[in-house]
Amino acid sequence: GAGVSQSPRYKVAKRGQDVALRCDPISGHVSLFWYQQALGQGPEFLTYFQNEAQLDKSGLPSDRFFAERPEGSVSTLKIQRTQQEDSAVYLCASSLPVARSGGGTDTQYFGPGTRLTVL
Amino acid sequence: RKEVEQDPGPFNVPEGATVAFNCTYSNSASQSFFWYRQDCRKEPKLLMSVYSSGNEDGRFTAQLNRASQYISLLIRDSKLSDSATYLCVVNSGTASKLTFGTGTRLQVTL
Repeated sequence: GAGVSQSPRYKVAKRGQDVALRCDPISGHVSLFWYQQALGQGPEFLTYFQNEAQLDKSGLPSDRFFAERPEGSVSTLKIQRTQQEDSAVYLCASSLPVARSGGGTDTQYFGPGTRLTVL
Repeated sequence: RKEVEQDPGPFNVPEGATVAFNCTYSNSASQSFFWYRQDCRKEPKLLMSVYSSGNEDGRFTAQLNRASQYISLLIRDSKLSDSATYLCVVNSGTASKLTFGTGTRLQVTL
């Protein structure tokens, strides 16, 4: 079946521009996560949704970052007034909750990411 | 101090070698542990979960020591296709948020 998809795959923005990154999770997956991966680093948590509810946004680096998932499926990460330090790969992941997955852990499945370059 | 620490490497090993990666985590409340594999310019993919009793999947063996807050991954009979970055990952138990190490790069050569 289809995995997690993200668009665009690559985005070049001029400093100060707003960008919107889209994530389509695996169908039926309740949980959705956004991560930021800088070059040479591991992914870092940004925010988490369970259905349409944003339950944790502690990782968002500033109020320029905003995420939504209004209907509990597709999610958008928006970055306003982009800055050079925002350049990174933005990864989306989805999972089933443990109780519904039947397993002992919430396996997160990652999309291919959006590589954002801010000039 | 980072919550999950790994030696970034790179580890350069010949085909057929055995290689071990280690990882330490600082949050004693962590509940779930994983190794993910990430190929260059690709997304992370789950390699294996790590259980307290230790677990094996083919050439890969993972161990967890909760008392020392230490996780390891052993790869036997390395293949060229094992070349990748191996990410140590911890679930802090808070809404399944994953905390990643910086990754250890492995290069298997002929």
